[in-house]
Amino acid sequence: DAGVIQSPRHEVTEMGQEVTLRCKPISGHDYLFWYRQTMMRGLELLIYFNNNVPIDDSGMPEDRFSAKMPNASFSTLKIQPSEPRDSAVYFCASYTGGHYNEQFFGPGTRLTVL
Amino acid sequence: DAKTTQPPSMDCAEGRAANLPCNHSTISGNEYVYWYRQIHSQGPQYIIHGLKNNETNEMASLIITEDRKSSTLILPHATLRDTAVYYCIVRLPDDKIIFGKGTRLHILP
Repeated sequence: DAGVIQSPRHEVTEMGQEVTLRCKPISGHDYLFWYRQTMMRGLELLIYFNNNVPIDDSGMPEDRFSAKMPNASFSTLKIQPSEPRDSAVYFCASYTGGHYNEQFFGPGTRLTVL
Repeated sequence: DAKTTQPPSMDCAEGRAANLPCNHSTISGNEYVYWYRQIHSQGPQYIIHGLKNNETNEMASLIITEDRKSSTLILPHATLRDTAVYYCIVRLPDDKIIFGKGTRLHILP
């Protein structure tokens, strides 16, 4: 398996533009997580899904952020409109659930909003 | 909020054992202790986890005190590639991971 796949790896956009980040989890994994990492705030959990259903979105900063998981093999995180303070590395992770199993993280998307 | 306390940074000489402490005094009986690490610019990587007993795998050993209020991650023979931020996490199975600030481990040549 190729692991968790994220695209794009780098995104540079201007304030006010819509940004869409994409994630393909590992096949067979029931859980998908979106994290954001900045120097100031560290790694923050934004939202996670179980069997394509959002379970906890309490970490989503505000209404400008939305996440979807239309099927078991694809998820998106959208920011509209984007702001400079959204600049961060966004990680997607997946796992099968249960305490025997580990979360696998993707390589991340580095977002810069000018 | 993270339920663990870790030193912000540590140094270890290459080839020596790196012992990374973690305090989790409020851990509940069915919560597990997990360790992840993050090498610069990469996503976090799972290392090891345990409930009560000490655990060992090809990467590290995990020593959990009898009262479960603290634990130590041991990298037996540290190499330069072990330079990373190490996160100690306490959680229930199927629960979300809350990352704290972790310990930045520097391996010195």
